[in-house]
Amino acid sequence: DIQMTQSPSSLSASVGDRVTITCRASQSISSYLNWYQQSPGKAPKVLIYSASSLESGVPSRFSGSGSGTDFTLTISSLQPEDFATYYCQQSYNTPITFGQGTRLEIK
Amino acid sequence: QVQLVQSGGGLVKPGGSLRLSCAASGFTFSDYYMTWIRQAPGKGLEWVSYISSSDTTTYADSVKGRFTISRDNAKTSLYLQMNNLRVEDTAIYYCARGRTVVPNWFAPWGQGALVTVSS
Repeated sequence: DIQMTQSPSSLSASVGDRVTITCRASQSISSYLNWYQQSPGKAPKVLIYSASSLESGVPSRFSGSGSGTDFTLTISSLQPEDFATYYCQQSYNTPITFGQGTRLEIK
Repeated sequence: QVQLVQSGGGLVKPGGSLRLSCAASGFTFSDYYMTWIRQAPGKGLEWVSYISSSDTTTYADSVKGRFTISRDNAKTSLYLQMNNLRVEDTAIYYCARGRTVVPNWFAPWGQGALVTVSS
């Protein structure tokens, strides 16, 4: 199985900050990497697919980069609604696996 | 709009069975991979199973032989039959739409259904 490791596991930041979350795969997954946001009590929603493609309707302050084993999700200017938990997910092969999550909290 | 509405869930004893349903609308259901993903209380996301547009199924090792995913394209619905449930199966179960050719990424997701396995 491909292990996905996110860092950090939690992060405190302020509105307007630039934030970067990292996801590392245990083997190369090309660009088969997706990012999700989950707000408390809600279902996850996709932000970025195929490492760097912005899902329709997602604000442009979200961006993704990387390929192979190392990936990043960047939020350019945090907004109040961005405080949530973020997950990466590989779809390179089965079983599909997720990172453990990064909890983004208000400082 | 594209929508997934879940039903089912509840409290069941260890060894019991439960069936989850997911009604789809707003897209050509038969064209898409569909998946189940679960989240234990306070924990992260765990992929459970997916089914292709041609009814090919794949399962996580943790549920293989106990859970069965199926779809009814005429009813635009996805199902998860869960048998021989264990305490560790307690979670919120989400259905989600994949892509057409490969599962890839998942959007949208259903609202979730809580399954509690306890004596």
